[in-house]
Amino acid sequence: DAGVIQSPRHEVTEMGQEVTLRCKPISGHNSLFWYRQTMMRGLELLIYFNNNVPIDDSGMPEDRFSAKMPNASFSTLKIQPSEPRDSAVYFCASSLRQWVNEQFFGPGTRLTVL
Amino acid sequence: ELKVEQNPLFLSMQEGKNYTIYCNYSTTSDRLYWYRQDPGKSLESLFVLLSNGAVKQEGRLMASLDTKARLSTLHITAAVHDLSATYFCAPSQGGSEKLVFGKGTKLTVNP
Repeated sequence: DAGVIQSPRHEVTEMGQEVTLRCKPISGHNSLFWYRQTMMRGLELLIYFNNNVPIDDSGMPEDRFSAKMPNASFSTLKIQPSEPRDSAVYFCASSLRQWVNEQFFGPGTRLTVL
Repeated sequence: ELKVEQNPLFLSMQEGKNYTIYCNYSTTSDRLYWYRQDPGKSLESLFVLLSNGAVKQEGRLMASLDTKARLSTLHITAAVHDLSATYFCAPSQGGSEKLVFGKGTKLTVNP
């Protein structure tokens, strides 16, 4: 079975540009999570969805960040405009919402903003 | 707000030795997860601990959960080089699906 799929795997862009990260969760999973990992701040939850509905976006750093989940098999995280401090690895994870709620992580997107 | 503290943050040990990583958290949580991350890679789920007193073992790793003490431990038995990685604990926040990750423990196992 395919795991969580993320694209692109690497993204290098210039400050001010729009960046879109994509995620396909594991088929059948109904919860999706976006995380950001940096050396300074560790692993932070940005936002999560359940059945395509955003449940908690309290981790979204500012209005430059937005996330959507138009259907059960696709989600995007957009940064507009991007800044150098947004450079990080962004992970998407999915789970089947039940008591266990085990989250499975994608390979991540390494974003560098110059 | 749930806060998570892992100790130690860095651990260098010799092959064959035993050691324990500790994960303390600040507020009630009913589930706790352990993940492993190799350098430059994603996070791999190791253990899911769902109740007080839960103990799970896989190979040389054993995880336990004490919800009353708000403490989980990851015990390493007879370490081998392949265990070198960063280990994260993540309790769930309240009754939600939201996980709060510790800073991670970077384990290096030396021959």
